[in-house]
Amino acid sequence: QVQLQESGPGLVKPSQTLSLTCTVSGDSISSGGSFWSWIRQPAGGGLEWIGRIYTSGTTTYNPSLTSRVSMSVDTSKNQFSLTLNSVTAADTAVYYCARSIMLLGVVGSSDYWGQGILVTVSS
Amino acid sequence: EIVLTQSPGTLSLSPGESATLSCRASQSVFSRSLAWYQQKPGQAPRFLIYGAFNRATGTPDRFSGTGSGTDFTLTISGLEPEDFAVYYCQQYGSFPWTFGQGTKVEIK
Repeated sequence: QVQLQESGPGLVKPSQTLSLTCTVSGDSISSGGSFWSWIRQPAGGGLEWIGRIYTSGTTTYNPSLTSRVSMSVDTSKNQFSLTLNSVTAADTAVYYCARSIMLLGVVGSSDYWGQGILVTVSS
Repeated sequence: EIVLTQSPGTLSLSPGESATLSCRASQSVFSRSLAWYQQKPGQAPRFLIYGAFNRATGTPDRFSGTGSGTDFTLTISGLEPEDFAVYYCQQYGSFPWTFGQGTKVEIK
């Protein structure tokens, strides 16, 4: 059974950096079978894809966030991470990590998700 | 960026009735790269459908997806009590991957 678990601070001050880690169990990031994504959801709002990373470290980001976001992977710990710089109140959301798989030759549907972590940006 | 517009915003139905949810894309979705998810309050989204009409493992057969190009539909035939939730469509045929704003299926 694949499981993902987000961890990190639940409160970040405006203009500072948001850093989250996703720990994966039941699958190996280094196997190369999947991509690993971050998705966020503001309270009462919809889902926004932030970006994805592959075991090689190759990343693809949402252009709306690309100037502030970076992702990394630590295959030794079976973890991947998200960093978002210069945060504002608009970045307050539940942040999910997810496994994005290849089906029918196309990568992008996410079959396993973490439970989500609420990050509030406030002074 | 492909914008996905879901309608209606809210669907009020009784158990046993059928639900028809629409997802319209601002431009053609590559290779039917469209997924559907179900989300209940306080939970992460649950993967239901990929490739527009293929059920994910564990998705009951009362859930069916159709469509191609810019128009996609999720049908739930005979709503069960556990089906009342918010449903999101997602396109992953081009970057950035995008989601619709969701359709809430509520008990009438």
